[in-house]
Amino acid sequence: AQKITQTQPGMFVQEKEAVTLDCTYDTSDPSYGLFWYKQPSSGEMIFLIYQGSYDQQNATEGRYSLNFQKARKSANLVISASQLGDSAMYFCAMREGRYGGATNKLIFGTGTLLAVQP
Amino acid sequence: NAGVTQTPKFRVLKTGQSMTLLCAQDMNHEYMYWYRQDPGMGLRLIHYSVGEGTTAKGEVPDGYNVSRLKKQNFLLGLESAAPSQTSVYFCASSYGGQGTIYGYTFGSGTRLTVV
Repeated sequence: AQKITQTQPGMFVQEKEAVTLDCTYDTSDPSYGLFWYKQPSSGEMIFLIYQGSYDQQNATEGRYSLNFQKARKSANLVISASQLGDSAMYFCAMREGRYGGATNKLIFGTGTLLAVQP
Repeated sequence: NAGVTQTPKFRVLKTGQSMTLLCAQDMNHEYMYWYRQDPGMGLRLIHYSVGEGTTAKGEVPDGYNVSRLKKQNFLLGLESAAPSQTSVYFCASSYGGQGTIYGYTFGSGTRLTVV
C-alpha cells in the first residue's frame, strides 16, 4: 500500500535562509506523482509543485524546488530565501499512476508546520 | 471563476444531529473527493466519486454517506453526528483518468464541531 511520511512536525527557519522539508514515500507502482501543498493559517490548500516519477529533472517553481531522489524514495521540498509569508503547514502528497489512474486519489502526509522568524 | 465552493464554512452540531455538507464545482471535473483534516493526521480520504451517480469509500468512511446526483455537486452527510467527527472537511475535484498534473482543486473547507 502507498504511504507518505513527513517526520518533521515543526520547523523553524530564519528569514532569507533556505529550508528543506522532508518527505518519504512508499509505493509499488513504478508510475506515480508527488505533490506539495501549502496551507496557511487561513486554511486553504495551495498547490506548490509537482514531480512525476519519470521526470528526468527535479521540479522547480520559483523559490520552490523538489529534491527528488527516486532510489531513496524521497521528495523533499526546498524553499529558498524564506519569507515571513512562507509560515504555514506544508503537506506532501502522492498519487499512483502518471495521471492518477482510475481514481486519481491523493494520499497525504501528516504535514510540517514551518515558522519563519524575522 | 468560483472553482470549488463548500457550504457551510462553519457549523456546530449537537451529538446525534444530522447535517449535509455541500460541495459544488464549476470546472466540469469528473472526479470529486471529501477529506477530513485532523491535527497530526494530515488529510484522510472519506469518500470519493469518479463520475455522476458513482461513489466509493475512502480510508475513513464510517459514519458518513455521500451522493453525486449531479456532476457538479458532491454531498457529504452525517446521519448521527459524534464528537469524533469534529474536524475540518475539505472537498476537492479533479479531471478524470488523463488528468492534469496539478492534482486537485480544493474548496476552502468546512469547520465542523460536534458537542
